[in-house]
Amino acid sequence: GAVVSQHPSRVICKSGTSVKIECRSLDFQATTMFWYRQFPKQSLMLMATSNEGSKATYEQGVEKDKFLINHASLTLSTLTVTSAHPEDSSFYICSARLTGSNYGYTFGSGTRLTVV
Amino acid sequence: AQSVAQPEDQVNVAEGNPLTVKCTYSVSGNPYLFWYVQYPNRGLQFLLKYITGDNLVKGSYGFEAEFNKSQTSFHLKKPSALVSDSALYFCAVTQGSNFNKFYFGSGTKLNVKP
Repeated sequence: GAVVSQHPSRVICKSGTSVKIECRSLDFQATTMFWYRQFPKQSLMLMATSNEGSKATYEQGVEKDKFLINHASLTLSTLTVTSAHPEDSSFYICSARLTGSNYGYTFGSGTRLTVV
Repeated sequence: AQSVAQPEDQVNVAEGNPLTVKCTYSVSGNPYLFWYVQYPNRGLQFLLKYITGDNLVKGSYGFEAEFNKSQTSFHLKKPSALVSDSALYFCAVTQGSNFNKFYFGSGTKLNVKP
């Protein structure tokens, strides 16, 4: 089946540095990918919708300059957390809509970001 | 505004017993409803969805859910729980005018005890 690979699975970074998270569709082309954030014991919140070849659409309250999204190819979307702070520590998950599928979406395995 | 409620933070059930994880939704227009399961430090795995048609939807791993329009509910059920079913379950809704945007419930932790 369609698989989305997310890397890294865990990352620890120092406050003030930037971290890049990759999301790849392995056996299908994903024109649209989505980035979610999950705080402990809370649900997933959509951060942004990433469209191949165009600017991402951010949800209200999400800082686009802090969470940079690039979707340069049909199989890769990246999320860069810039100037990370401890409050950015969270679980980030990407998903992709399956082309030609009726409301089919597949999710990556997530990235645990810890900012120290 | 679209929203999903999972009223139980945690559900405990003995192995072999039936399980139910509750979900109610609020959406303008026709809802498209989903259940996902999440294991620790993993992404979400699709279980089942309701788009249209038969109100009883069967999904992966023996799970099923019933769409009840009058009660705006989409409860997840399984006739006989397994210890390996222990995980975090999320109900989600999207809607025809913007079906790319999922609204997730807060999640329900299912504990199946041997």
